[in-house]
Amino acid sequence: TQLLEQSPQFLSIQEGENLTVYCNSSSVFSSLQWYRQEPGEGPVLLVTVVTGGEVKKLKRLTFQFGDARKDSSLHITAAQPGDTGLYLCAGASRGSGNTGKLIFGQGTTLQVKP
Amino acid sequence: GAVVSQHPSWVICKSGTSVKIECRSLDFQATTMFWYRQFPKQSLMLMATSNEGSKATYEQGVEKDKFLINHASLTLSTLTVTSAHPEDSSFYICSASGRAVPYSNQPQHFGDGTRLSIL
Repeated sequence: TQLLEQSPQFLSIQEGENLTVYCNSSSVFSSLQWYRQEPGEGPVLLVTVVTGGEVKKLKRLTFQFGDARKDSSLHITAAQPGDTGLYLCAGASRGSGNTGKLIFGQGTTLQVKP
Repeated sequence: GAVVSQHPSWVICKSGTSVKIECRSLDFQATTMFWYRQFPKQSLMLMATSNEGSKATYEQGVEKDKFLINHASLTLSTLTVTSAHPEDSSFYICSASGRAVPYSNQPQHFGDGTRLSIL
């Protein structure tokens, strides 16, 4: 069974601080996606990383896919209250039988206090 | 961008009632749709994978006779919670992915979820 360990699960920080969320697995993923979800809504895709070692930036968010495609990180610089939400990583593997089935991490609940 | 519409957004009903939730892809053809269940402040738990025109594949521990899934067209999948009980109360979310290959690199586009409360 493929697992994706996401950490930390809860994070409460002050506005302006930096933070990093990690997703780790012993399995190789063909791609990894990061989502952000607000209460009462569905997850919204932030980014998809496909190539080992790939780094993508989305304003103050930096996403990295590990060289071996087993892990990924999300770094937020100068966090703002608007960044508050549940962040989810999800990996897809070829072993999913070409269905596009995702393996989700446990999620990170981020609270940014003004 | 790809849009997935889920309806209804909130349902409150009595125990024993069957509830149908619809998931529509509005601007793309969804060959595969997924149904998830989510508890407060927890991650998504995949219930089943639905491919257009074929029977859904259920995850281990999910009762297929309890959670009926129909994916009759490339833009619509439905989840029916039959004879719902209070323990079925949860947030149900659907997602859809399109036709392009490789499938494993296709992002899933999520609906806004349905909060189901069984009294």
